[in-house]
Amino acid sequence: EVQLLESGGGLVQPGGSLRLSCAASGFTFSSYAMSWVRQAPGKGLEWVSGISGSGGGTYYADSVKGRLTISRDNSKNTLYLQLNSLSAEDTAVYFCAKLRGLRTGPFDFWGQGTPVTVSS
Amino acid sequence: EIVMTQSPATLSVSPGEGATLSCRASQSVSTTLAWYQQKSGQAPRLLIYGASTRATGVPARFSGSGSGTEFTLSISSLQSEDFAVYYCQQYSDWPPRYSFGQGTKLEIK
Repeated sequence: EVQLLESGGGLVQPGGSLRLSCAASGFTFSSYAMSWVRQAPGKGLEWVSGISGSGGGTYYADSVKGRLTISRDNSKNTLYLQLNSLSAEDTAVYFCAKLRGLRTGPFDFWGQGTPVTVSS
Repeated sequence: EIVMTQSPATLSVSPGEGATLSCRASQSVSTTLAWYQQKSGQAPRLLIYGASTRATGVPARFSGSGSGTEFTLSISSLQSEDFAVYYCQQYSDWPPRYSFGQGTKLEIK
C-alpha cells in the first residue's frame, strides 16, 4: 500500500524558514517523480515544485522560484521541501504527491498534508 | 503557462441525477489531463488520467472525455459520497509547470 506522510509544518514568522519532509512507503521510491502541491485556506490547488525520480531534475512554479528548494534522499525514501523567505502568501497546507511516471504524469497518490502558517 | 478554466464554479444536483463538469485549457494539452476529487479536510484523490482512463478503484459512474483544449467529467447517478470539489489538471508542460483549474463544487440540490 502506497503511503505518503508529511511532517515539518507549523507556525513561522515572516521571513523565516521551514523544512518539510515526506516519508514514502509501499513503492519503489526512486522510480517515480514526486511533487509538492499547496492549498491556501479556502482556495484551490497550486503545484509548487517537482523532482524527477533520480533527483537530477528539479522544477518550480514561478511564484516560489528562488525561495523553495526541493530535494529527495532515495536511500531514505524521503522527499523534502526547504521553504525560505516565507510570507503570508505561503500560508497553506502542503501536500506531497507521487507522480504516475519517472518524469511526469498525473498525481496518483497524495499525503494528508502538513499545514504551514506564516504569521507574526 | 497553461491556464485551466473550469465551469461552472458550483453545480447543484439532486442525488440520483447526473452531472457534467467542464474544463478548458488555454492551449492544447492533447490528452494529458487529469481529474481529482477533494472532500473537505482531505487530500485530493485521482479519478481520471489521460483524459478518459479511470484510476484504480474509481467507480464506473465516473467518465472523462475530450482532447486538445476541451474536457468533460461526467458522473452518472450521483451518490451522496460524490458531493465534493472537483479539479482538472494538465501535465502536458515540459519542463513541468503543472496547473490546476480553480475547481467545481458539486453540491446537493
